[in-house]
Amino acid sequence: QVQLQESGPGLVKPSQTLSLTCTVSGGSISSGNYYWSWIRQPAGKGLEWIGRIYTSGNTNYNPSLKSRVTISVVTSKNQFSLRLTSVTAADTAVYYCAGSSVYSNYDRWGQGTLVTVSS
Amino acid sequence: QTVVTQEPSLTVSPGGTVTLTCASSTGAVTSAYYPNWFQQKPGQAPRALIFDTDNKYSWTPARFSGSLLGGKAAMTLSGVQPEDEADYYCLLYYDGGQLWVFGGGTKLTVL
Repeated sequence: QVQLQESGPGLVKPSQTLSLTCTVSGGSISSGNYYWSWIRQPAGKGLEWIGRIYTSGNTNYNPSLKSRVTISVVTSKNQFSLRLTSVTAADTAVYYCAGSSVYSNYDRWGQGTLVTVSS
Repeated sequence: QTVVTQEPSLTVSPGGTVTLTCASSTGAVTSAYYPNWFQQKPGQAPRALIFDTDNKYSWTPARFSGSLLGGKAAMTLSGVQPEDEADYYCLLYYDGGQLWVFGGGTKLTVL
C-alpha cells in the first residue's frame, strides 16, 4: 500500500524558493507506471494542480506556474520534490503530493503541508 | 485559460439523491477528459472517489456513481448519509496541454 508524506519548511520569505519533498513508502518510486504530482490549496479556496512527473522523467506543469516550477525524482531516497521559485504571498497554501497508479487517476494523497510565504 | 465549473453549493436531505456536475469552458466533457471526483472534509486531504468517468476505488461507497450527463461529467450520490457532507472537487484532463484542471468545488450540505 503506497503512502505519501510531504516535508519541508513551513515558512518561506518572499522572492525566495519553496522546496518540498514527498517521501513514498510501501513501494518503489521508480517501479511500475506510477505518476507523481503536486497539488496545492490556499486557505478556504479550491485545489490547484501544479504538475506531474512520470517514471520516464517527463514532466507536465500548470501553464500559470510553469516558469517557476520544477518537479523531480530522487530515486535513491524514494522521494520526489517540488521547487517553486520567486514566491509571493499568493503561493501560501497547503501543498499536497499525490500518486497515480494509472494515468487517469490520483488515488494516493499525502496529508498535506502548510507553506506560508511571509517576511 | 481553461475553466472547470461546478455548482458552488448544494443541499440534500438524508436519504435523498443529489447530482453534482462538472463543466468545461472548452465544450462538452467526454471520457477523454478522464473525469475524477474527490471528497474533502475540513482539515483533511482530498480522498479519491471516482476516476476515468465512472470507475470506483475499493474504498468508494456504493452510493457514489460517476457518469457523463448533458455534456458534463457528473457524480450522483444516492441515499445520502450525514457523513457525506463535504466539499467535492472534479478534475479534468486536457490532452492538448497535457494538463489537469480542478473545478472550483461544490460544498454539499446534508440537512
